[in-house]
Amino acid sequence: TQLLEQSPQFLSIQEGENLTVYCNSSSVFSSLQWYRQEPGEGPVLLVTVVTGGEVKKLKRLTFQFGDARKDSSLHITAAQPGDTGLYLCAGDGRNTGFQKLVFGTGTRLLVSP
Amino acid sequence: DSGVTQTPKHLITATGQRVTLRCSPRSGDLSVYWYQQSLDQGLQFLIQYYNGEERAKGNILERFSAQQFPDLHSELNLSSLELGDSALYFCASSVGGDFSGNTIYFGEGSWLTVV
Repeated sequence: TQLLEQSPQFLSIQEGENLTVYCNSSSVFSSLQWYRQEPGEGPVLLVTVVTGGEVKKLKRLTFQFGDARKDSSLHITAAQPGDTGLYLCAGDGRNTGFQKLVFGTGTRLLVSP
Repeated sequence: DSGVTQTPKHLITATGQRVTLRCSPRSGDLSVYWYQQSLDQGLQFLIQYYNGEERAKGNILERFSAQQFPDLHSELNLSSLELGDSALYFCASSVGGDFSGNTIYFGEGSWLTVV
């Protein structure tokens, strides 16, 4: 059983389109992070959200933490081929009794020119 | 470049064998984390060390063990290897001992193929 479920699992779009990736859980997390992983590399941290309802922007990427701190979304505006990669959400599981960073199932994004 | 160095990058070994994966954390980072990434299980936390001591344990099999040395580098030992152990093994490091307020930096991973 995965604590963090991401949807969609795979997304293939054209350059310039908008998209949203979701990260959902039945558990409350004290903080949640989003990572991007490119082929042959390790995950790279994009953002950390801490407060329920918090919205953070990173250029064309907008991250939102749910009010109840159980879910998060990542919205990409005008996607570029360079956005291609595996997007992972990860939650600080200490509030759920886990002393570890719990990763989601991942969303694989392909942006074609 | 995250500053986390993992060796080897690729290795192929037979079932029943033992391998050691090595990790050098970023300069100044005291925590080392080991993760396993496979297609069917995603990114799974194995174990964390902080300043030489085991800090947290995840889904690490009894056939696997790890340690962090005084110079803070870490090794992950995988023994009695099975086909299902084939995966990408990541090391990550951070300054502090927990995730709150710490950025975790991942290495490029070690690809293990068990044949």
